[in-house]
Amino acid sequence: DIQMTQSPSSVSASVGDRVTITCRASQGISSWLAWYQQKPGKAPKLLIYAASSLQSGGPSRFSGSGFGTDFTLTISSLQPEDSATYYCQQANSFPFTFGPGTKVDI
Amino acid sequence: QLQLQESGPGLVKPSETLSLTCTVSGGSIRSSSYYWGWVRQPPGKGLEWIGSIYDMQTTYHNPSLRSRVTLYGDASKNQFSLKMSSVTAADTAVYYCARHRCSSSSCFKIYGMDVWGQGTTVTVSS
Repeated sequence: DIQMTQSPSSVSASVGDRVTITCRASQGISSWLAWYQQKPGKAPKLLIYAASSLQSGGPSRFSGSGFGTDFTLTISSLQPEDSATYYCQQANSFPFTFGPGTKVDI
Repeated sequence: QLQLQESGPGLVKPSETLSLTCTVSGGSIRSSSYYWGWVRQPPGKGLEWIGSIYDMQTTYHNPSLRSRVTLYGDASKNQFSLKMSSVTAADTAVYYCARHRCSSSSCFKIYGMDVWGQGTTVTVSS
């Protein structure tokens, strides 16, 4: 199985700050990586797919990059509604695996 | 607009079988452009993929659960279902169904899980 790790596990930042979350795969997954945002009591929401493509309807302040084993999710200007937990997920091969999550506090 | 809705008992006794159904509305489960699957989240923890079904017959399971999990689809009802046998307290979680968007018509790869149900809480307890 491909193991996914994320750092940091949590981050506290202010409105307007730039926030970067890192995700690492235990083996190369090309660009087959997705990012999700989950707010308390809600289902996850797809933000980024194929490592860098913004899901339809997603705010443009979210961007993704990376290839192979190392990936990043960047929030260019943090907004109050971005307070959530963010998960990466490899879609390269079964079994699909998620990272442990990064909690973003405002 | 596509919507997914999970249904099933909220309480299951240890050693029994958990059965959940996901009803799809606003789109057809027959579409070969998508996988359909299940993800769970134990209280206060992260997300775990359980398994997915494609074309109503091809299934993939998490190896850690494989021997206990059965997935199947019912195109006539536009539903897909999960059965998990021999449950324990460790199976207590919120269970989500989700559509997986394929990257191409052959669905060799998926982009991600783009539509989710609201989730249903399942507690395993006597």
